[in-house]
Amino acid sequence: QQQVKQSPQSLIVQKGGISIINCAYENTAFDYFPWYQQFPGKGPALLIAIRPDVSEKKEGRFTISFNKSAKQFSLHIMDSQPGDSATYFCAARVPYNNNDMRFGAGTRLTVKP
Amino acid sequence: DVKVTQSSRYLVKRTGEKVFLECVQDMDHENMFWYRQDPGLGLRLIYFSYDVKMKEKGDIPEGYSVSREKKERFSLILESASTNQTSMYLCASSSGQGRRPQHFGDGTRLSIL
Repeated sequence: QQQVKQSPQSLIVQKGGISIINCAYENTAFDYFPWYQQFPGKGPALLIAIRPDVSEKKEGRFTISFNKSAKQFSLHIMDSQPGDSATYFCAARVPYNNNDMRFGAGTRLTVKP
Repeated sequence: DVKVTQSSRYLVKRTGEKVFLECVQDMDHENMFWYRQDPGLGLRLIYFSYDVKMKEKGDIPEGYSVSREKKERFSLILESASTNQTSMYLCASSSGQGRRPQHFGDGTRLSIL
């Protein structure tokens, strides 16, 4: 079963708008939460990551918001651009069992010009 | 520039065939991974290798085996291909401890007829 639930499955945003992708988890032992970006025909690439001791991390137009009590984290893309159109995966790391990564199902983002 | 190279972008095989997927990384990374990517399921770990000749099963190892005879090369083997193994296969590598993939290849789309 999916240990990290990601929503929405697909998202269409106008250029300049804010894209928001959400993930929820149950396992409170997760200790690292990365987001991956995957363009068509390419492998995923690490985009940004956060640890549960901070509530927000920002890198350029990309921000992760982390709500430990709600067991949720989200990716915000400010001023979305057509070049941001890709599939985004959230993930969470299990600190035992050799630090397994658990991936969300992915969100296909389309930014319309 | 770091690189994980998968030998085939597209592959079509028949049920019952033995299939080899090859992956090479040029970063001298200790860890290598094989993932399977299916719509709605995200990435699922098939096998992980943390050193030459060393391997660990991931979440879905059934029907697969792996080989790592050299540090830079990690092969995924489908012993007797079945139609439910039609999927996108992603190789990844990383340095350090744990199963956190850092760099992905561009994937092999495998169709089993």
